[in-house]
Amino acid sequence: GAGVSQSPSNKVTEKGKDVELRCDPISGHTALYWYRQSLGQGLEFLIYFQGNSAPDKSGLPSDRFSAERTGGSVSTLTIQRTQQEDSAVYLCASSREQSNYGYTFGSGTRLTVV
Amino acid sequence: QKEVEQDPGPLSVPEGAIVSLNCTYSNSAFQYFMWYRQYSRKGPELLMYTYSSGNKEDGRFTAQVDKSSKYISLFIRDSQPSDSATYLCATYHNAGKSTFGDGTTLTVKP
Repeated sequence: GAGVSQSPSNKVTEKGKDVELRCDPISGHTALYWYRQSLGQGLEFLIYFQGNSAPDKSGLPSDRFSAERTGGSVSTLTIQRTQQEDSAVYLCASSREQSNYGYTFGSGTRLTVV
Repeated sequence: QKEVEQDPGPLSVPEGAIVSLNCTYSNSAFQYFMWYRQYSRKGPELLMYTYSSGNKEDGRFTAQVDKSSKYISLFIRDSQPSDSATYLCATYHNAGKSTFGDGTTLTVKP
């Protein structure tokens, strides 16, 4: 596609529910990244995929967070048993290979846990 | 200590002013540096990237890296109201990960 597409754009969920966030990267981009941005904060790295494998999962905050990527394309970030501190904007980005030259970001999913 | 520290702002300037946005970083091994612009309720948009020390110019924007002092700057000339946004500096690590500053919010008043 023309850009990185994320869905849903907004999600309100009740504490304790599971949520799935989807990212569709730019066609041909082999690298995919998930970041989290809390109100007024910078971007917090969550996970990086090269193809379908995840060489770096070091940023996932807890075992309630998981992510997968299938077919070297679409990725899903799953948060189980959501907590209020999970409320944030979840941003997905993609690039050709490992990019020293920056990423293309989607518009994000704004998650609110009530 | 954060790996990348950024002047928090907010910064408010009149239209036409020269804007200077700054970051410092702690790891001397960093080689690649980026500036992103983020409008409200949008994802960050890559503005410029630089490698090692030196300057890079693109239109009204100039990125500067001084590795001896671990200092990164972005200059905006002839600032416009459309430049009003949050600006994020970032460094690139090995294996795909970038570290971002917390952002500086800029308002350019007509």
